[in-house]
Amino acid sequence: DAGVTQSPTHLIKTRGQQVTLRCSPKSGHDTVSWYQQALGQGPQFIFQYYEEEERQRGNFPDRFSGHQFPNYSSELNVNALLLGDSALYLCASSFDSNEQFFGPGTRLTVL
Amino acid sequence: AQSVTQPDIHITVSEGASLELRCNYSYGATPYLFWYVQSPGQGLQLLLKYFSGDTLVQGIKGFEAEFKRSQSSFNLRKPSVHWSDAAEYFCASLSPGGSYIPTFGRGTSLIVHP
Repeated sequence: DAGVTQSPTHLIKTRGQQVTLRCSPKSGHDTVSWYQQALGQGPQFIFQYYEEEERQRGNFPDRFSGHQFPNYSSELNVNALLLGDSALYLCASSFDSNEQFFGPGTRLTVL
Repeated sequence: AQSVTQPDIHITVSEGASLELRCNYSYGATPYLFWYVQSPGQGLQLLLKYFSGDTLVQGIKGFEAEFKRSQSSFNLRKPSVHWSDAAEYFCASLSPGGSYIPTFGRGTSLIVHP
């Protein structure tokens, strides 16, 4: 079992650009959640996808959007990047919604 | 709204010494509680979890945590710390039957001196 995988590992973008991050959940999991972790902070919930729909959303602007595919993998899209979007983006998958398994994260740097 | 407080930003211990990391939660009922560890540049690994039952929970890597309802606490302990335990530790809570989204504390950075 490969666990939760994320790509790419690192990404550098400039302000105003758009970015897409990808996540493949752990085998057997159907729910994917995305988190933003700024340096020195705990993960902040962005949104969660279940059955290809956004089930819950945290306090993030509409610039942050996502998608879940029929194979349960997911994408996080961020438009009009700001310097403050620089962070580690974590994907977590779950099945019974009580325990989440995290991927290694994508480090996004916005210049 | 739920909140999780980890009052210690940094903790420094000597290798072989005992460790206790503090975590307090605010929630009306008993939440589900978790401790995660994060090595630099890595994702979060679950150390242990508490849903119900025995209030002393055993986890991986020799860690344990005790749920104390009267103190709204879920402190993480290890009797003898190894240098490889140096990492960031996060406590998280989740409300049963409500949102499936855990609330994380800000984390405690563990420094281990040889």
